[in-house]
Amino acid sequence: EAGVTQSPTHLIKTRGQQATLRCSPISGHTSVYWYQQALGLGLQFLLWYDEGEERNRGNFPPRFSGRQFPNYSSELNVNALELEDSALYLCASSLYRGAGNTEAFFGQGTRLTVV
Amino acid sequence: EDKVVQSPLSLVVHEGDTVTLNCSYEVTNFRSLLWYKQEKKAPTFLFMLTSSGIEKKSGRLSSILDKKELFSILNITATQTGDSAVYLCAPAAGGTSYGKLTFGQGTILTVHP
Repeated sequence: EAGVTQSPTHLIKTRGQQATLRCSPISGHTSVYWYQQALGLGLQFLLWYDEGEERNRGNFPPRFSGRQFPNYSSELNVNALELEDSALYLCASSLYRGAGNTEAFFGQGTRLTVV
Repeated sequence: EDKVVQSPLSLVVHEGDTVTLNCSYEVTNFRSLLWYKQEKKAPTFLFMLTSSGIEKKSGRLSSILDKKELFSILNITATQTGDSAVYLCAPAAGGTSYGKLTFGQGTILTVHP
């Protein structure tokens, strides 16, 4: 069974541009979560989508947004990129609503570099 | 604000040693606590703990939760070089934090042959 898949693996953008990151959850999982892991920092919660709706978001500015499609895949968009947005972006999925009710499984991540 | 503190921050041992990793937390509307192992990129799920005092085991790894004292430990016995990784704990909460895992800074474990 395929795990959580993310694309692209690496992404290089210029400051001010927009980045789009994609995530496909494990088959049957309806919840998708996005986390940011900047160098030397822990995983910071960005967004949670379930059944196509944004259910919760972390302390990030509105230029971090996303959506979940009918097939439960998800997209994270980062607008007006800043150098500090350079990080590993991890997507996770879970079977039932809300990590903590059930296990959340992570993908390999997208390394975003802003130059 | 939710807080998670892991200790030690780093640990260097030799193969065959036993290690104990600690995670203390202050989380409103606590639901469960998850442990992950992160080697390169993707954190790998280890355990989810919801009840106090019930040990979960998987091979050489085991973990237990104390909801009264607000901590969890992860034990690894007979360590191997493949256990070298960052170990992360993450409480999950309800209320306004529902769906969110709050990660600790991690414990870097290095196992030498």
